[in-house]
Amino acid sequence: AQRVTQPEKLLSVFKGAPVELKCNYSYSGSPELFWYVQYSRQRLQLLLRHISRESIKGFTADLNKGETSFHLKKPFAQEEDSAMYYCALGRGGGNKLTFGTGTQLKVEL
Amino acid sequence: NAGVTQTPKFQVLKTGQSMTLQCAQDMNHEYMSWYRQDPGMGLRLIHYSVGAGITDQGEVPNGYNVSRSTTEDFPLRLLSAAPSQTSVYFCASSIGTAYGYTFGSGTRLTVV
Repeated sequence: AQRVTQPEKLLSVFKGAPVELKCNYSYSGSPELFWYVQYSRQRLQLLLRHISRESIKGFTADLNKGETSFHLKKPFAQEEDSAMYYCALGRGGGNKLTFGTGTQLKVEL
Repeated sequence: NAGVTQTPKFQVLKTGQSMTLQCAQDMNHEYMSWYRQDPGMGLRLIHYSVGAGITDQGEVPNGYNVSRSTTEDFPLRLLSAAPSQTSVYFCASSIGTAYGYTFGSGTRLTVV
């Protein structure tokens, strides 16, 4: 069965500190992985997709097939990064997304 | 370009009532999905569609119906509302598998 695990419900860091939001997945096929972000009272927004290997708002994520992980990283946290972050696994050609339970990132001054 | 539009934003239903949550997109996306978001459970797929006239079930389809008569619209029908259906519902659309989904602003539904 497909599964996405985000082990931390809440991650609290100080401004300027490095951030790593963990995501592990289980899937027998070739995964398509995404990070979505939801700022307070706003809709979910696509942050990153593994296929593009890009950096958005200073965030990066690398797919590690050996460890079945897709951790989200940022070297220096900013106050505006405070939000809920969801890791998602696309299957069935990406039509169906399986989401993790989310990690609330709180950046403290 | 409005993106994905959901109506209503808020709704309170009594147990047993039926209603339709509306979703429309103006990006000519083939793929559309409905999710529900519950605390501590992330988002769970209810139904999805890969094009007009084609729909299929997701993880939690019971109690919900969908149809896709046009590319633009993908309404979600609650047949007989139950308190367990109290949730935030998100509609999403995508141009293709690897591009990710664009989400609507959500409908907060309370069933009493």
